[in-house]
Amino acid sequence: DTAVSQTPKYLVTQMGNDKSIKCEQNLGHDTMYWYKQDSKKFLKIMFSYNNKELIINETVPNRFSPKSPDKAHLNLHINSLELGDSAVYFCASSQEGHGNTIYFGEGSWLTVV
Amino acid sequence: AQSVTQLGSHVSVSEGALVLLRCNYSSSVPPYLFWYVQYPNQGLQLLLKYTTGATLVKGINGFEAEFKKSETSFHLTKPSAHMSDAAEYFCAVSEGNNRLAFGKGNQVVVIP
Repeated sequence: DTAVSQTPKYLVTQMGNDKSIKCEQNLGHDTMYWYKQDSKKFLKIMFSYNNKELIINETVPNRFSPKSPDKAHLNLHINSLELGDSAVYFCASSQEGHGNTIYFGEGSWLTVV
Repeated sequence: AQSVTQLGSHVSVSEGALVLLRCNYSSSVPPYLFWYVQYPNQGLQLLLKYTTGATLVKGINGFEAEFKKSETSFHLTKPSAHMSDAAEYFCAVSEGNNRLAFGKGNQVVVIP
């Protein structure tokens, strides 16, 4: 069973479109995240939710809007896609608490053309 | 704010040779340190982590790392490289609030 699953795995879309990436975790964790990995493989946190509440919101354009309908789901919606949004987006989850292991999904490869 | 430095984006190692990946961190509080591995087209998998206690940490696939506070380092080693170790390796530090700061990664190439 996949612990953190995200869909779609690959997404190619045109500039200006709106797209969503869905994420679900079956680990019973109370904290979920979105990380972005750029073309140079650099990973940076975008958002963190704890029990459906936004905890971390890094300097991310407001075209990116996370939504957490429940503890097990954290979706990422992106409006008006730009070329620079092309990246790999990783969903992750953990139990709340310093030092707890963060488990990552397989990633969603977004290409904006 | 915490940060991690990983030098040398590409590391080549012969099969059977020692794997050594260096990680130095900056943190204003006692850090929690992690090594993750990313295989091609896959997500990140935890190799090992240091939180408290023993400074030599053993992880999966024969890897280990040693936390050295005086050197602000958490270098990753494996005595004998295997072809299956070819991957991207990331060091990360956490100061709290479950926020991980990652290094830029090392692409490990194993030469037969």
